[in-house]
Amino acid sequence: DTAVSQTPKYLVTQMGNDKSIKCEQNLGHDTMYWYKQDSKKFLKIMFSYNNKELIINETVPNRFSPKSPDKAHLNLHINSLELGDSAVYFCASSPRRDQETQYFGPGTRLLVL
Amino acid sequence: LAKTTQPISMDSYEGQEVNITCSHNNIATNDYITWYQQFPSQGPRFIIQGYKTKVTNEVASLFIPADRKSSTLSLPRVSLSDTAVYYCLVISLGFQKLVFGTGTRLLVSP
Repeated sequence: DTAVSQTPKYLVTQMGNDKSIKCEQNLGHDTMYWYKQDSKKFLKIMFSYNNKELIINETVPNRFSPKSPDKAHLNLHINSLELGDSAVYFCASSPRRDQETQYFGPGTRLLVL
Repeated sequence: LAKTTQPISMDSYEGQEVNITCSHNNIATNDYITWYQQFPSQGPRFIIQGYKTKVTNEVASLFIPADRKSSTLSLPRVSLSDTAVYYCLVISLGFQKLVFGTGTRLLVSP
């Protein structure tokens, strides 16, 4: 009965590869987010979707592309992975776009070699 | 977005009360104060949110003075499992982007 789940939990890959991280929430929330936490533990928002519509798109390389097939899923696809992409990626959701309380997933630890 | 300042780290012992203060001098009228907790290898977890005076829930209390330029998260009788990073955030009602600072690393010892 996990609220916000992410797969995979760990991802180790080579530079230049393309990878995807999946996120699903079973809370019935309208809004979902992707955050990146770097080695210094700074947590920064990347994208936000509300009912499958992109509403926040921070300054991230266009190698990162979010995809929301339905409001319960927000996947993150990364092309041409670089060393600097190594981080922990968190998915989150909130009941509505104006709801400050967000529920985070367990994170996906990405290591690019 | 109002910038927040918190102590980088704090140490405590089991059973003590821990107070973590956050400074947010340029908080706006519509801003709320929210605290999240993050354990190692986990995503942040909402703890408490308030606008003014005092808010209490089953895990913590939040004290906000009248000028709202600071706030204090109070954890009563901490245990070892309260060892985590605590983030203070100031966010506007209706504004869904959370901006996390460096947080305060709380270490609870036996």
